[in-house]
Amino acid sequence: KQEVTQIPAALSVPEGENLVLNCSFTDSAIYNLQWFRQDPGKGLTSLLLIQSSQREQTSGRLNASLDKSSGRSTLYIAASQPGDSATYLCAVIARNTGKLIFGQGTTLQVKP
Amino acid sequence: GAVVSQHPSWVICKSGTSVKIECRSLDFQATTMFWYRQFPKQSLMLMATSNEGSKATYEQGVEKDKFLINHASLTLSTLTVTSAHPEDSSFYICSARGGGGQPQHFGDGTRLSIL
Repeated sequence: KQEVTQIPAALSVPEGENLVLNCSFTDSAIYNLQWFRQDPGKGLTSLLLIQSSQREQTSGRLNASLDKSSGRSTLYIAASQPGDSATYLCAVIARNTGKLIFGQGTTLQVKP
Repeated sequence: GAVVSQHPSWVICKSGTSVKIECRSLDFQATTMFWYRQFPKQSLMLMATSNEGSKATYEQGVEKDKFLINHASLTLSTLTVTSAHPEDSSFYICSARGGGGQPQHFGDGTRLSIL
């Protein structure tokens, strides 16, 4: 059974700092991995999608990497801003079920 | 980009009533729609998957007679919480996906509070 774990559960940093969020998954048989952002009381916004054949994706100040063999992904946020404060969710689509399986999320607070 | 509209965003009702939540894909045909439930400070838990014109497939532990799902068209799915009770209070989020390995797009969620 695929399990997705995110570390840390919460993170607080001063504005301007570069930071890394970690995600690990137990079964490397995945179609792709996605990083989402969720603001309080809101739905999910897709940030980056990495296909299983890819190693990284970049969008603006965000860079996500995927190491399928070790079951790990990282989300790198450069020059963090208070507007980046949110919960970041990692999710994989398992090959055997086709379902999106989520981690517990990392709640980020960027202080001005 | 792809947009999924979920309505209502917030509903408060008395115990015993039924509540219907709508999920629409606005600019693409959603061959598959998903319904998730999220408790405070927890991640999303998949409740059921529905394909247009077919019966929904429910995850283990989810009562299909309690949570009725209809996916009658390629742009609309509904979740009806029947005879809702306080323990059904939660944040419900729908998601839609087109064919051909397209990513899932999420609605803004519905906050359901049962008094």
